[in-house]
Order: sequence, then C-alpha cells, then structure tokens
Amino acid sequence: GENVEQHPSTLSVQEGDSAVIKCTYSDSASNYFPWYKQELGKGPQLIIDIRSNVGEKKDQRIAVTLNKTAKHFSLHITETQPEDSAVYFCAASPLFGNEKLTFGTGTRLTIIP
Amino acid sequence: EAQVTQNPRYLITVTGKKLTVTCSQNMNHEYMSWYRQDPGLGLRQIYYSMNVEVTDKGDVPEGYKVSRKEKRNFPLILESPSPNQTSLYFCASGARVKGDTQYFGPGTRLTVL
Repeated sequence: GENVEQHPSTLSVQEGDSAVIKCTYSDSASNYFPWYKQELGKGPQLIIDIRSNVGEKKDQRIAVTLNKTAKHFSLHITETQPEDSAVYFCAASPLFGNEKLTFGTGTRLTIIP
Repeated sequence: EAQVTQNPRYLITVTGKKLTVTCSQNMNHEYMSWYRQDPGLGLRQIYYSMNVEVTDKGDVPEGYKVSRKEKRNFPLILESPSPNQTSLYFCASGARVKGDTQYFGPGTRLTVL
C-alpha cells in the first residue's frame, strides 16, 4: 500500500518568514495530493491540493509543488501570520481524490510573533 | 450550514462495554469515512463507504464495525472496546466527483479504561 512520509514534525518560523513542509510517497499510482490544516480542537480542513498533471499550484500565500519523478510534494507558506499556526497534514490517493487517502504524520507549525 | 456532526464529542468508557459513535452529514455526500488520529501516526483510515449499503475496510479495521443504512449516517461501532482504541476519531464525507474534497467532523475523543 501507499506510504507517505512527512518532514519536519515540528517547525517554528518568525512571523513574516516562509515555511516549507515536505512529503514523499511510495506508490507511483498516486495522482491526488491534498494538504490539510488542523487547528486546535477541530477536524482537518483542506487548504490546497494538486493533481499529477500539474507541477505547481498557488492560492494567495500558499503554494504546493509536485515532483512525480522523485515522488515528493511540498507545501510553501509565504509571509506567515500567527493564524497559520496549526498542524498540517499531507496526503496521497490513487483514486478520484477524496477516497483512499493515506496521510502523513503531520507537522506542527508555530509562528513566532 | 453544510457540516459533518459527530456524537459524542468526548467519551470515557471501560473495556468491553459496547459503544457507538454517530456521524451525520447534511451535504448529500455519497462517500463517508472514519479515521483515528494518534500522536506521531497521523490519520489512519478505519472504514469507508462509497454509498448506501457499501462499506469497505481501511488500513486499521480490527475491532471496529460500521453500517451505512442511510446516506447521511455512518455510525462507528466498537463491540468490545479495549484500551488500545483510546484515540481521537474523525468522520469525513465527500462527493464522489473529481475535484471534491473530504469534509471532516469535529472529532470524538475516546478513552477506554
């Protein structure tokens, strides 16, 4: 089955700086890669996703890049703000997208004011 | 308001006492799923359902049961809970269309003594 590794497990950055979280996956059949943000006491919420026919996708301060050859994808957050503090999960799926997701182990991001 | 609801939000029980965690969604989604979240392990899928009366095992199904008699409800049943099932549980739902995501409930924190 699919295996998704996520690094780092914790990350602290100064407010205004950029944060990068990286994930690798094992199954070359995977073609959908979402990123979820989990705030304290809440369920995960999708923040951005990318499919295998695209190398990069951007939404305001958030971007995701995908390298299918190397089987890795990354989340980039620019101009970080205190409200970006949360746990972030990457995931991979070989199907339409919202089924059979395999999650990474999470990254706790702390933004230092 | 479109949402996934779970009940109860918190539960402390004893080994062997059957329990059910309910999950309901009001978005007419075909797909529903249960995950457990444990420190350092991320989210692991327990069971999922593609539609009414269709369920399948995820990555960690042992000790759990589910049913999908109605489209909106997907209860998680622990027939004989054990301490290793102490965890944070999330229900999720999604439409089975390309580009849609999974919507997560607020979580149920279960402690089995």
